[in-house]
Amino acid sequence: QSALTQPRSVSGSPGQSVSISCTGTGSDVGRYNYVSWYQQHPGKVPKLIIYDVTKRPSGVPDRFSGSKSGNTASLTISGLQAEDETDYYCCSYAGNSQVIFGGGTKVTVL
Amino acid sequence: EVHLVQSGAEVKKPGESLKISCKGSGFSFTSYWIGWVRQMPGKGLEWMGIIYPDDSDTRYSPSFQGQVTISADKSFSSAYLQWTSLEASDTAMYYCARHVPGTWGAIDYWGQGTLLTVST
Repeated sequence: QSALTQPRSVSGSPGQSVSISCTGTGSDVGRYNYVSWYQQHPGKVPKLIIYDVTKRPSGVPDRFSGSKSGNTASLTISGLQAEDETDYYCCSYAGNSQVIFGGGTKVTVL
Repeated sequence: EVHLVQSGAEVKKPGESLKISCKGSGFSFTSYWIGWVRQMPGKGLEWMGIIYPDDSDTRYSPSFQGQVTISADKSFSSAYLQWTSLEASDTAMYYCARHVPGTWGAIDYWGQGTLLTVST
C-alpha cells in the first residue's frame, strides 16, 4: 500500500488555526476509524497527539483536534503557537494488520 | 513509569548482519503489541511491523517482509529487529514503539531510537 498523502507544508500566524490534510483511500482512512497523528520536533522522538480520528491522549492540549470525512482525515491546530512549528505525520490502519504513515507536513509559524 | 530502552548506535558494512534490541519496563510487556518504525535521514516515518511478545505473533509491512526479522523474548521483556545482510539503504534511525491496545496505529511510547549507519 502507498503512503498517505499530506501537504509538504502549511503555515499560519500565531493565534490562527491551521489544518493538515491526510488523504488515503477507501481501504484505509475511508474504511477505518483508526487515524492517528504524531508531532515530531527535530532530533526528537515522535509524540502521539491524536488517535482513533478524534481522541486526544492525556496531556495533549485541546488546541489539537482531529476529524475525518470520506478518505481524508485532518488535524487542526487552533490558536497556533510558536512551539507548534515542527513536523506532523498522520497514520492509518490499512486492514490486514497493516499500518501506514503519511509523508509528513512541516508547520511553520509566521 | 513506562520505558523502552534501545541498544546503541551501530556502524556496519554492507553484507554484515545485525540485531538491535528494545527492552521494556514499567508495564506488562506481554500485554502490548511492540512495533518498529524506520526513519531514513531527513525522511518520514515508516511502519515496519509489530510483534505480540506473549505468543510472538508477528505482522510485517509488505515493504519490509523478507527484509528484516522481528522477534521477542518475553523473559527479557525485549523485542528485536534483525538483518542478515545489510545494505547502504538500511541507514536510518529505528524506533521501537508500544502500540495502544484496542486500536491500530496509535503508539503511546517510543524508544529513544537506534541509529544505524551502513557504509563501506
